[in-house]
Amino acid sequence: GDSVTQMEGPVTLSEEAFLTINCTYTATGYPSLFWYVQYPGEGLQLLLKATKADDKGSNKGFEATYRKETTSFHLEKGSVQVSDSAVYFCALTNAGGTSYGKLTFGQGTILTVHP
Amino acid sequence: DADVTQTPRNRITKTGKRIMLECSQTKGHDRMYWYRQDPGLGLRLIYYSFDVKDINKGEISDGYSVSRQAQAKFSLSLESAIPNQTALYFCATSDPASGLNSGELFFGEGSRLTVL
Repeated sequence: GDSVTQMEGPVTLSEEAFLTINCTYTATGYPSLFWYVQYPGEGLQLLLKATKADDKGSNKGFEATYRKETTSFHLEKGSVQVSDSAVYFCALTNAGGTSYGKLTFGQGTILTVHP
Repeated sequence: DADVTQTPRNRITKTGKRIMLECSQTKGHDRMYWYRQDPGLGLRLIYYSFDVKDINKGEISDGYSVSRQAQAKFSLSLESAIPNQTALYFCATSDPASGLNSGELFFGEGSRLTVL
């Protein structure tokens, strides 16, 4: 079935550092890929998405590119802020696979940014 | 007010007790979901419903049941709670009109359940 694997956390950075959180997936066909963010005490919210190969999703300074050849969707930000401290989840949905109509999530990566 | 509301937000109970977690939404979405979050495991799907007459098991449905009382309401029940059901539970909705692969879910704030 479909699956998502994220890099192990937690990740601790200083403010203005560069961020990469790795995400790879296994899925048949052509899934859509997502990054969700969970701030402390809140539910998840969509951060960005890409629905086909080579698409780049972006939002709030975060970017991720859908790489079908490496089955990856790594999250990047050039300069993190303290307010970016949160848990980040990579996810996919797949009309042709076991994730039809629903999301399959990775295990989440905790990011802590220090001033 | 939140678009997706979960009650209770926190609950402590004992092994063997029956527990119901409720979810209501004002987004007008047909699709509703219950996920469970555990540290290091991400979110795992318990049950989902594409409309009032449709209920489907997710990857970890054993020990849980659901009821879709109306388009806006989707309840999760633990018939006889056990300690390894201690977790953070999330309800979510989605709008199928936004496309099969839209994938945008709208989450409630979560219900933290502790089973002693």
